[in-house]
Amino acid sequence: AQSVTQLDSQVPVFEEAPVELRCNYSSSVSVYLFWYVQYPNQGLQLLLKYLSGSTLVKGINGFEAEFNKSQTSFHLRKPSVHISDTAEYFCAVSVLYSSASKIIFGSGTRLSIRP
Amino acid sequence: GAVVSQHPSRVICKSGTSVKIECRSLDFQATTMFWYRQFPKQSLMLMATSNEGSKATYEQGVEKDKFLINHASLTLSTLTVTSAHPEDSSFYICSASGPAEAFFGQGTRLTVV
Repeated sequence: AQSVTQLDSQVPVFEEAPVELRCNYSSSVSVYLFWYVQYPNQGLQLLLKYLSGSTLVKGINGFEAEFNKSQTSFHLRKPSVHISDTAEYFCAVSVLYSSASKIIFGSGTRLSIRP
Repeated sequence: GAVVSQHPSRVICKSGTSVKIECRSLDFQATTMFWYRQFPKQSLMLMATSNEGSKATYEQGVEKDKFLINHASLTLSTLTVTSAHPEDSSFYICSASGPAEAFFGQGTRLTVV
């Protein structure tokens, strides 16, 4: 069965510093992987997705992630964070269910930016 | 991407009453939709899979008689929280999806007082 592990529940970072949010997945078949962001008291916003092709995926707000099949990882990175990046970040994997994608979420990583 | 509309965005109800949440796929037909629940400071947990024209499939530990799901058309799924209690207070979010990715509604924050 597919699953996602986010090892870091919280990541504090100083403004303008780089950040990496870690995500490992478990799957016996080909996977689709996603990163979502959730700002306080709001819904989900898709940051980026890996469906196929290039293993380096660029998303919105300057974020990127790299799909590493041998390490079963999909870590999220940003070279320089801003206060506005303070949010909860969820890594997720897609499970195909009757031609629809069922999304399984990781436990989330809270990114807090310090001025 | 596709648009999924969820209504209402917020609802406060009295303990013991029922609340209906609607999830509409606005620009594609969704034979399958999914319902998630998120408690404060936690991740999103899949509650059930809504199947158009048939019974929903519930995840382990989710009471099907309490969380009634109806998927009467290819664009609408509803979740009814019956006899709501304060412990049902949560953020509920739906998704409609194709074979590769899902599109999420804006979510509904339910507060039971």
